[in-house]
Amino acid sequence: DTVLTQSPALAVSPGERVTISCRASESVSTLMHWYQQKPGQQPKLLIYLASNLESGVPARFSGSGSGTDFTLTIDPVEADDTATYYCQQSWNDPPTFGSGTKLEIK
Amino acid sequence: EVQLVESGGGLVQPGRSLKLSCAASGFTFSNYDMAWVRQAPTKGLEWVASISTGGGNTYYRDSVKGRFTISRDNAKSTLYLQMDSLRSEDTATYYCARQDPGISVMDAWGQGASVTVSS
Repeated sequence: DTVLTQSPALAVSPGERVTISCRASESVSTLMHWYQQKPGQQPKLLIYLASNLESGVPARFSGSGSGTDFTLTIDPVEADDTATYYCQQSWNDPPTFGSGTKLEIK
Repeated sequence: EVQLVESGGGLVQPGRSLKLSCAASGFTFSNYDMAWVRQAPTKGLEWVASISTGGGNTYYRDSVKGRFTISRDNAKSTLYLQMDSLRSEDTATYYCARQDPGISVMDAWGQGASVTVSS
């Protein structure tokens, strides 16, 4: 299975820029997607195909990357962005998720 | 508005069965692949199974193959997950998700159904 590695946690202040990384154990082309999960809620799609913003998602969120290295950027960060962020690949079977990056807003 | 509403969760003994349902509304259900994704307590997301638009193709993670069955009723806009021979490691919140047929991104999620496997 394709393993997706994410850093476990980050802490930033409101107004700052934050990048969350996701590294795949093998190429996933651009079939990488990002989800936000707030405590007690279901996941929500933010970015699909590495860099495409899902409808209704603020333009503060952006994604980049291809192959094995991907990033999710939030600029500027707001207090409401406190959540765990997951990457997910759909290039290789089975689809896999990263372990999640917990973002704390100071 | 797209809505996915899971039901059928609960407490079940190891080795027993449980069937989850997911009622869909707000979109043409038969145009989308569908998936189940689970999340064990305090853990990350884990894909469980997917089914094609017409139900003819199904896919499972290895750990549930032969025990879980995904199915759908397009006339009722409902997705199912039959879970047999349940184990303690199946304890999780199970999410129903709409899956784009082309790129397999999960673009809509239900609120989840909690399944606890314990004696």
